[in-house]
Amino acid sequence: GDSVTQMEGPVTLSEEAFLTINCTYTATGYPSLFWYVQYPGEGLQLLLKATKADDKGSNKGFEATYRKETTSFHLEKGSVQVSDSAVYFCALRGGSNYKLTFGKGTLLTVNP
Amino acid sequence: DTAVSQTPKYLVTQMGNDKSIKCEQNLGHDTMYWYKQDSKKFLKIMFSYNNKELIINETVPNRFSPKSPDKAHLNLHINSLELGDSAVYFCASSQDADSTDTQYFGPGTRLTVL
Repeated sequence: GDSVTQMEGPVTLSEEAFLTINCTYTATGYPSLFWYVQYPGEGLQLLLKATKADDKGSNKGFEATYRKETTSFHLEKGSVQVSDSAVYFCALRGGSNYKLTFGKGTLLTVNP
Repeated sequence: DTAVSQTPKYLVTQMGNDKSIKCEQNLGHDTMYWYKQDSKKFLKIMFSYNNKELIINETVPNRFSPKSPDKAHLNLHINSLELGDSAVYFCASSQDADSTDTQYFGPGTRLTVL
């Protein structure tokens, strides 16, 4: 079945540091890939998505590129801010599969 | 304007009780979902409805029963609550069931079973 593996947290960075959160997936067919963010005490918000190979999703300075050859969708940001502190979830949705399959989430804490 | 809303936000109840959580979306979407997030933040799909028809029913105890009175609402009823049901339950919706569609999540309902 479909699965998503993302790097274990927690990740602690200083403000303006570079961020990478690794995400790899296993799926049949051609899934769509998503990054969701959950701020403390809130629901999930879509951060970015990519629906086909080599697509790059971007939003709020975050980027991720759909790499079919390495089955990866790593999240990056060049300079993190304290306000980026949250839990980040990588997810996929398969071609004939209605549900989102999530990774286990990565807690990011950014210190001033 | 709240896109996906859930009530209540917090629910504290005793073991053995029956409770319901309500979800409404004002986005005009055709597909709605229930997810469970456990204490380790792991998210797992429970149910999904498309145009009021059940399309996903994961391995969930029979004590959980979803009901979709119309496309804008998907409620979750839980019978005979157990300690292990304590979690945050998220409702979500998407335009339809296509794999490229973004799912929009509600704020969650934190259920605590004592």
